[in-house]
Amino acid sequence: GDSVTQMEGPVTLSEEAFLTINCTYTATGYPSLFWYVQYPGEGLQLLLKATKADDKGSNKGFEATYRKETTSFHLEKGSVQVSDSAVYFCALSGSFYQKVTFGIGTKLQVIP
Amino acid sequence: EAQVTQNPRYLITVTGKKLTVTCSQNMNHEYMSWYRQDPGLGLRQIYYSMNVEVTDKGDVPEGYKVSRKEKRNFPLILESPSPNQTSLYFCASRPSGTGGATWTEAFFGQGTRLTVV
Repeated sequence: GDSVTQMEGPVTLSEEAFLTINCTYTATGYPSLFWYVQYPGEGLQLLLKATKADDKGSNKGFEATYRKETTSFHLEKGSVQVSDSAVYFCALSGSFYQKVTFGIGTKLQVIP
Repeated sequence: EAQVTQNPRYLITVTGKKLTVTCSQNMNHEYMSWYRQDPGLGLRQIYYSMNVEVTDKGDVPEGYKVSRKEKRNFPLILESPSPNQTSLYFCASRPSGTGGATWTEAFFGQGTRLTVV
């Protein structure tokens, strides 16, 4: 079945540092890929998405590129801020389109 | 405002006492689902519903029930809660999209933190 693999963290960075959170997936066919973000005490909200190979999703300075050859969708940001501290979930919607399969979530802490 | 509303946000209960967590969405979405979030395990799907009166098991359905009598509501029922159901629960809704599209965004409620003692 479909699966998503990402590191749990926590990842601790200083403000203005470069961020990479790795995400790899297993799915049949051509899934859509997502990054969701969960701020403390809140539900998940969509950060960005990509629906086909080589697409780049971007939002709020975050980017991720759909790499079918490496089955990856790594999240990057050039300069993180304290306000980016949250849990980030990689997810896919694939062969059974209604279901979204999530990774375990990566906690990011940004210190001033 | 488009939203998914869950109630209650926090709940402490005792083993065996039936409870219901409500979920309502105002976006006319066909698809709704329940997840539980546990440390080290991420979000796991409990049940889902593709439309009114159509529900099915997700990955971890044991000990839970759902119903979908109206399009907007999708309550989660724990008939006899046990301590291993202590968790953070999320309801989500999503439009079906056209032609089985996989790209539609899921909208989440704020979460319900349940403790069973």
